[in-house]
Amino acid sequence: GQNIDQPTEMTATEGAIVQINCTYQTSGFNGLFWYQQHAGEAPTFLSYNVLDGLEEKGRFSSFLSRSKGYSYLLLKELQMKDSASYLCAVMDSNYQLIWGAGTKLIIKP
Amino acid sequence: GAVVSQHPSWVICKSGTSVKIECRSLDFQATTMFWYRQFPKQSLMLMATSNEGSKATYEQGVEKDKFLINHASLTLSTLTVTSAHPEDSSFYICSAKTGQQETKPQETQYFGPGTRLLVL
Repeated sequence: GQNIDQPTEMTATEGAIVQINCTYQTSGFNGLFWYQQHAGEAPTFLSYNVLDGLEEKGRFSSFLSRSKGYSYLLLKELQMKDSASYLCAVMDSNYQLIWGAGTKLIIKP
Repeated sequence: GAVVSQHPSWVICKSGTSVKIECRSLDFQATTMFWYRQFPKQSLMLMATSNEGSKATYEQGVEKDKFLINHASLTLSTLTVTSAHPEDSSFYICSAKTGQQETKPQETQYFGPGTRLLVL
């Protein structure tokens, strides 16, 4: 079956760095997405990785290792507004998104 | 960027009634729309995939007679929850695809703001 694993919850301090991991097992691979979802809102797109390596976009970076079925989202200089759930999703061979359960990130002052 | 709207954003209804949720792509033509459901503290669960002009494809375990989907145009899809019950209370989110999945998969799905349904 298809499976996406990510931690349920993480806590970090304002101004610090946090890494959210995601491992996956899917039928085919057409890219991995990270979305941010604030409570009561729809997800918003953060990043897309299809090749191995690190993609940096401002305070957020996303890494992918296809051979290991592994990705992480790195958030730097954490701000209180970064408190949200972070969803990892993999696009399978049918171009359908398989979603992880999300990681709730709590930022403390 | 592409914008997807949903209406209503909030709905409260009595058990046994039907509720219709609209999903519109405002500035692009969506050949495919997806309907998701999200229960508290859980991830998105795909309910069905809706292609313009054809019948929707439902995921396993989703009752097609209970969740009626109509994708009558390239900018509008509707989800009707028939005979709603309290267990149908959830956050319903649609997303729309421009159809360029093979060339630009990272831009394929744009999410609406979601509709929160509460069935009393």
